[in-house]
Formats: sequence, C-alpha cells, structure tokens
Amino acid sequence: KQEVTQIPAALSVPEGENLVLNCSFTDSAIYNLQWFRQDPGKGLTSLLLIQSSQREQTSGRLNASLDKSSGRSTLYIAASQPGDSATYLCAVIRNYGQNFVFGPGTRLSVLP
Amino acid sequence: DTGVSQDPRHKITKRGQNVTFRCDPISEHNRLYWYRQTLGQGPEFLTYFQNEAQLEKSRLLSDRFSAERPKGSFSTLEIQRTEQGDSAMYLCASSQSGASEGYTFGSGTRLTVV
Repeated sequence: KQEVTQIPAALSVPEGENLVLNCSFTDSAIYNLQWFRQDPGKGLTSLLLIQSSQREQTSGRLNASLDKSSGRSTLYIAASQPGDSATYLCAVIRNYGQNFVFGPGTRLSVLP
Repeated sequence: DTGVSQDPRHKITKRGQNVTFRCDPISEHNRLYWYRQTLGQGPEFLTYFQNEAQLEKSRLLSDRFSAERPKGSFSTLEIQRTEQGDSAMYLCASSQSGASEGYTFGSGTRLTVV
C-alpha cells in the first residue's frame, strides 16, 4: 500500500527566504506526482505535475524535483512571500491506478 | 468553462438527515473523482467515474454513501443518515485521458453535521 509522508508538518520563515518542502512515498512505482496548494477552507490548486519519466518541473519561483528510486520529491520555493502562506500537498498516482494518494501536507507561514 | 464547480460550498445538517452534493467537472474531462478531507489531513480517495461508469470505490465509502454520474457529465454524492463523523470537506476533481494530465480540483463542499 502506497504511503506518502511530508516533512516538515509546519514551517514558518521570514519573507524572502528560499525554502524546501519534502515529500516521500513508499512505493517507487509511481506514474506521476503532483504538488498542490490549499488555502484555509478552500479547494486544491495544482502547482506542478511531474511525470515518472521526468526529473523536475519549474513554474515561476517554484521548482519540483522527483527521484523515483529513492521515493522522494522536493518542492523548492524561491524568495518566499507572505502570499505563499498555505498548505502544500504532494500526491502520487501508482502505476496502473487512477486515484492519487495524498500526503498530509506542510503548512507554510511566510512572515512579512 | 472555467473549472470544476461544486455546490453547495457549505452545508450544515442535523445528524440523521440525508445530504446531496453536486460536482460539475471540466466539460471535456471524462474522469471524475470524489475525495474527503478532514482537518489537518490530506484528501482521501472515495470513488471515481470514467464517463458514467463508477470504476472504483474506496472502503471509506460505506453503504450510507452513494455516488452517481448518470450522463457522464455532472456527478452527485449522497450521504444518508449523516453522522458527526461525516463532517469533512468533500472535494471533487476531474481529469482527461489518464493520470498524465493531472487533476483539477473544485473548491469543495464543507459538511458540518450537528
């Protein structure tokens, strides 16, 4: 059974810092991995999708990497801003499966 | 078509009542998913449809829960005889032609059972 964990559970940083969020999964046979952002009481917004054949994806100040063999992904946020404050969730789709398995999320606070 | 729509946004109901939620996916997406999320946790898979066929159901989906997608477009999720443990955010997502496209989520329906 696929299990997804995220470290740290919560993170508080001053504005302008670069930061890394970590995601680990137990079964390396994944089809793809997706990072989401969730604001309090809201739905999920897709940030980056990495297919199993890819090593990383970039969008603006965000960069996500994937290492299937070690069962890890990282989300790098450059020059953090207070507007980045949210919960960040990673999710993986197992091979030949159709539903994502989510991690519990990392709650990020960026202080002005 | 601007995304996945869910209705209502919030629902407060008394224990024992039935509730129904609606999800309208992105029109060209043939797959639709329901997830449940409790406070401080990641979303948990409930069920998914490809067109009108319900292809997978989680063990979380007890016999009090039923989901339909009668014409392969919108979907409904009904909870009968609600319990306080059903209080959660119910999220709908859609995708097209397999997982490589990723998911698009709606804003969710927050259910509070009192």
